[in-house]
Amino acid sequence: DAMVIQNPRYQVTQFGKPVTLSCSQTLNHNVMYWYQQKSSQAPKLLFHYYDKDFNNEADTPDNFQSRRPNTSFCFLDIRSPGLGDAAMYLCATSRVRLGDNEQFFGPGTRLTVL
Amino acid sequence: AQSVTQLGSHVSVSEGALVLLRCNYSSSVPPYLFWYVQYPNQGLQLLLKYTTGATLVKGINGFEAEFKKSETSFHLTKPSAHMSDAAEYFCAVRPSNTGNQFYFGTGTSLTVIP
Repeated sequence: DAMVIQNPRYQVTQFGKPVTLSCSQTLNHNVMYWYQQKSSQAPKLLFHYYDKDFNNEADTPDNFQSRRPNTSFCFLDIRSPGLGDAAMYLCATSRVRLGDNEQFFGPGTRLTVL
Repeated sequence: AQSVTQLGSHVSVSEGALVLLRCNYSSSVPPYLFWYVQYPNQGLQLLLKYTTGATLVKGINGFEAEFKKSETSFHLTKPSAHMSDAAEYFCAVRPSNTGNQFYFGTGTSLTVIP
């Protein structure tokens, strides 16, 4: 089945220690998104890629970076995680940026910062 | 700017009772509308979406939603709640005329009482 895969499902890191979260997709979608979701809140968009075109949200901290080496993979790098970065991180894809295409979500990676 | 309002952050219904989750949006141009469900520690799953055409949309798991332009609403309903419906529900909109971002509501947590 075509899907969005996130690894790992649970990640524990130490305060200030860089961490990378991984997302892959078999849908061959052009757009990949990264969201941060804190407890009992809506997902908050951090950034997205349209093909290789990177689009950062204005309020995304510099501490968060992303890479998309090819269509299938996208990575979220947190350079120096703080306690406030503990959250669920969701990767999503959509076929195109505009129009009525829905987003397909991965299962998420729950990040704990000690 | 788009905004999405979900009235009631927590809704409780008895098993077998009607489920009604409310969603209102603010937009001068009717957007594309989506309902997603999120089970604990999982990603978001699309329940249904409205793009054009028939205003009553049927989705998975017996859910449906009706787009009412005059009320700028897209409420989610299910005639008879099941225990497995307990989850977090998010309404989302996507501008139909410009932009690429999804705007999520703050979510409604549904509890089903046996």
